[in-house]
Amino acid sequence: EIVLTQSPATLSMSPGERATLSCRASQSVSGSLVWYQQKPGQAPRLLIYDASNRATGIPARFSGSGSGTDFTLTISSLEPGDFAVYYCQQRGNWPLTFGGGTKVEIK
Amino acid sequence: HLVESGGGLVKPGGSLTLSCAGSGFTFSSYSMNWVRQAPGKGLEWVSSISGDGIYIIYSDSVKGRFSISRDNAKNSLDLQMNSLRAEDTAVYYCAGFETISVRPVDYWGPGTLVTVSS
Repeated sequence: EIVLTQSPATLSMSPGERATLSCRASQSVSGSLVWYQQKPGQAPRLLIYDASNRATGIPARFSGSGSGTDFTLTISSLEPGDFAVYYCQQRGNWPLTFGGGTKVEIK
Repeated sequence: HLVESGGGLVKPGGSLTLSCAGSGFTFSSYSMNWVRQAPGKGLEWVSSISGDGIYIIYSDSVKGRFSISRDNAKNSLDLQMNSLRAEDTAVYYCAGFETISVRPVDYWGPGTLVTVSS
């Protein structure tokens, strides 16, 4: 099983700041690495697939990078609606696994 | 696009069937998945079924107790849950996404809460 470790657990930021979220895998991810955003009481929303491709309708301030075992989600300038929990997921190996999440909160 | 139903309160050892109705996309062309989230916790993949229903896989935590099925003629997905345990308490999401040739759009339902308690 591929274990995904997200850091930090919580990120305290102000609107307009740049946020950098990390996802590290216990072994190389051979398939797709995706990122989700989840707000309270809502289902996850796909942001990034294949590590660096934005999903349909996702603004350009969201970007993903990385390969192998180290992946990053960057939000270039935080907007009020971006304060949420972010999860990475690997889809290359069974069982599919998620990281523990990073909460981006308002400072 | 997806709406779950069938959640509720069930006693340990009991059974429950969740259903998911799809609309607005080509249901049969998507692998369908169940993902759950325990209260205040992260996301956990439960089970997946291929678009044609041939390939099915479960997480170790539910294998032998849960059964996934789909009916493409009715755009529906089911999860039969038996021998339920307290640790199965969670919001269960029905989700359409691929693991190979990942598409730029996923489909998720709003979730249905399953509570296992005496």
